[in-house]
Amino acid sequence: AQSVTQLDSHVSVSEGTPVLLRCNYSSSYSPSLFWYVQHPNKGLQLLLKYTSAATLVKGINGFEAEFKKSETSFHLTKPSAHMSDAAEYFCVVSSFTGGGNKLTFGTGTQLKVEL
Amino acid sequence: DAGVIQSPRHEVTEMGQEVTLRCKPISGHNSLFWYRQTMMRGLELLIYFNNNVPIDDSGMPEDRFSAKMPNASFSTLKIQPSEPRDSAVYFCASSLGLAGDFDTQYFGPGTRLTVL
Repeated sequence: AQSVTQLDSHVSVSEGTPVLLRCNYSSSYSPSLFWYVQHPNKGLQLLLKYTSAATLVKGINGFEAEFKKSETSFHLTKPSAHMSDAAEYFCVVSSFTGGGNKLTFGTGTQLKVEL
Repeated sequence: DAGVIQSPRHEVTEMGQEVTLRCKPISGHNSLFWYRQTMMRGLELLIYFNNNVPIDDSGMPEDRFSAKMPNASFSTLKIQPSEPRDSAVYFCASSLGLAGDFDTQYFGPGTRLTVL
């Protein structure tokens, strides 16, 4: 079964400094991996998706993630944090079942951005 | 593109009442998903449909919950009778399914349900 582990439940950074949100995955085959973001009282928005075309995936709002098979990791990064980045971030893996695809969500990382 | 539409956005009801949540997926999407989000359990998949047919309802908590998708542009999630422990945010999501980028899901804004 596919699963993801988000290694930090909370991350705090200063505005203008780099962001690193860590995610490890477990999959019996080459997975599709996603990062979603949820701002307070909002729905989930797709940040980026990995599908094996390229190991470095660029997403919206300056975020990117690198797929490392040897480390089974898919960490999310951004060079310079902005106050508007404060939100909860979910690492997600897709798995194919008999009739379709299901997403399995990590437990989330709350990102706090301080002045 | 209007995105996934959910109604109502907020629902407050009393224990024992019937609650119906509604979802309109993105036009052309063939798969629809219902999720529940709570602080204690995070995001849980309740049920999903492909081409209006329920594929996996193993996440539905109990018989009080039911979901239907009578056509490609509408789905409901019903709780009858509702209980305080059903209080949560319920999200609907849709994807192209087997028709294309099959596993990217697009989420609605959610319905915040409070059962008193």
